[in-house]
Amino acid sequence: DAKTTQPTSMDCAEGRAANLPCNHSTISGNEYVYWYRQIHSQGPQYIIHGLKNNETNEMASLIITEDRKSSTLILPHATLRDTAVYYCIVRVNSGYSTLTFGKGTMLLVSP
Amino acid sequence: NAGVMQNPRHLVRRRGQEARLRCSPMKGHSHVYWYRQLPEEGLKFMVYLQKENIIDESGMPKERFSAEFPKEGPSILRIQQVVRGDSAAYFCASSLDRDNEQFFGPGTRLTVL
Repeated sequence: DAKTTQPTSMDCAEGRAANLPCNHSTISGNEYVYWYRQIHSQGPQYIIHGLKNNETNEMASLIITEDRKSSTLILPHATLRDTAVYYCIVRVNSGYSTLTFGKGTMLLVSP
Repeated sequence: NAGVMQNPRHLVRRRGQEARLRCSPMKGHSHVYWYRQLPEEGLKFMVYLQKENIIDESGMPKERFSAEFPKEGPSILRIQQVVRGDSAAYFCASSLDRDNEQFFGPGTRLTVL
């Protein structure tokens, strides 16, 4: 699976949009981009995933660049409860492939 | 629709004892994954099981650790003769199929005294 690079930490004001970037310049054509988050002391929580089209669900939006070398997770109106470590993972979606977690981005949402 | 369940949530063992961690996947999920998170570190894959079969155990230590997912009942991660270095949070995840997203349980925090 391709390697991802994320900033170590980010800050966001409550109510503002949080934009979390991820670089995956060596991504292969059959690899999806997955986002998970881990709130302190809890199990990781699935957020969203996509291949090349932008995706949106009730939690977030995922914007993938046309060359697929980077993506951005957008939390449109961040709340204090969104404070967590956010992991960007690339993974093949056919056959078997496990999740490889990196260090992620620590997002701190402040009042 | 209950999520992934793990028990116990906290487990304390003395060095040399055995630890048994249980994971009940989401309803309808037959694929189970175990991960370990050492203090101040990221999650590391340990083992992937599909009902009664171990598919990938490449992340599991060769000694003292074993996992099973019987036809009936939860998946079990067993650690024999625990040592202080086994202290960690152990997370289980399940998926509907091997291609689908994995959903994680709340974890079991093992402390070895």
